[in-house]
Amino acid sequence: TQLLEQSPQFLSIQEGENLTVYCNSSSVFSSLQWYRQEPGEGPVLLVTVVTGGEVKKLKRLTFQFGDARKDSSLHITAAQPGDTGLYLCVARYSGAGSYQLTFGKGTKLSVIP
Amino acid sequence: DAGVTQSPTHLIKTRGQHVTLRCSPISGHKSVSWYQQVLGQGPQFIFQYYEKEERGRGNFPDRFSARQFPNYSSELNVNALLLGDSALYLCASSLGLQVWGYTFGSGTRLTVV
Repeated sequence: TQLLEQSPQFLSIQEGENLTVYCNSSSVFSSLQWYRQEPGEGPVLLVTVVTGGEVKKLKRLTFQFGDARKDSSLHITAAQPGDTGLYLCVARYSGAGSYQLTFGKGTKLSVIP
Repeated sequence: DAGVTQSPTHLIKTRGQHVTLRCSPISGHKSVSWYQQVLGQGPQFIFQYYEKEERGRGNFPDRFSARQFPNYSSELNVNALLLGDSALYLCASSLGLQVWGYTFGSGTRLTVV
């Protein structure tokens, strides 16, 4: 069973601050996605990373896939209250059951105005 | 186009009862997956269906079952409900098994009392 660990579990910061959320696995991913989920809603896809060492930017969000494809990070610059939500890293692993998504427990981010 | 639609949005059931949750995927999407999200946790994979066949099953008891219809909509059934089945049940659709873009519905909030 693959485990996907996210840290920190909770994060409360002031508007304008920077933050980084981490996602780590004991197994190599075939690919990894980051989602954001707001209360009462389903997760919404932010980005998919496939290649080791890949870096993707989405406005103030920077996503990085580790060279060994066992870790990823999400960095938010100048956080805004609208960034508040549950950030989930989601991995796909090769092999049996490779179609299913494995979710981390999430990082609950609160950005205080 | 409508997104993934789930019904009902909220449901309260008594222990021992059974429940049926429904999901309509995005038009053209042939794969539907079901996830259970307990409060404070990331979603856990329950089932994936593609072209009306079960293509993956998570670590859930036999009380959980699902099916996919010719129009690609899906039902999740849970028998002999337990208090621990209280959760947000999410449906996700995708074009196919190998396609990485999942779109989630807003979920059905099930409370078992």
